[in-house]
Amino acid sequence: DGGITQSPKYLFRKEGQNVTLSCEQNLNHDAMYWYRQDPGQGLRLIYYSQIVNDFQKGDIAEGYSVSREKKESFPLTVTSAQKNPTAFYLCASFSPGSYTEAFFGQGTRLTVV
Amino acid sequence: ILNVEQSPQSLHVQEGDSTNFTCSFPSSNFYALHWYRWETAKSPEALFVMTLNGDEKKKGRISATLNTKEGYSYLYIKGSQPEDSATYLCAFPPIETSGSRLTFGEGTQLTVNP
Repeated sequence: DGGITQSPKYLFRKEGQNVTLSCEQNLNHDAMYWYRQDPGQGLRLIYYSQIVNDFQKGDIAEGYSVSREKKESFPLTVTSAQKNPTAFYLCASFSPGSYTEAFFGQGTRLTVV
Repeated sequence: ILNVEQSPQSLHVQEGDSTNFTCSFPSSNFYALHWYRWETAKSPEALFVMTLNGDEKKKGRISATLNTKEGYSYLYIKGSQPEDSATYLCAFPPIETSGSRLTFGEGTQLTVNP
């Protein structure tokens, strides 16, 4: 079955540590996205990538980094520079040129301890 | 930051009521408009992708309309049921990014009371 897989579902990080969230899709979508959700707020765009080896900053990119070495994979690293990393992170993918919908992973809840 | 606005922020209705929400976007930058439903503990799921001015789409009791000239879309739910309780999100990918930068509104949280 085609879909998006995010891992892990829950992640605990000590202050000062970098952590990497995984996102893999087998839908052959061109574009992939990372969003952050905080309590009571909507989805805010962190980074997105339209093609392999290229990505653009979203609205809240500071303290995060990404890579897109393969079409299927778009990992997100939450660095120690991110001041308030505790949040719910959601990965998505779609093919903009096809005017079809986006698909989402199950999300990763990151907690700084 | 791209301005995609949704209203109201939250809505409580009784079972059987009909309701509607609004999504506003920059009309000059239109490429497509997406609607998603996000139920608690699940991933967002697509309802509609709308591309043409005057578009009207329907899925069961849910329908949506689009006005690209004035920059808004309405989502309607007829005869709300408790299972319709969810957050409804609209997303706008502007044409200046070739429709790639998928930006979401804050969402409308719907609660349907039995």
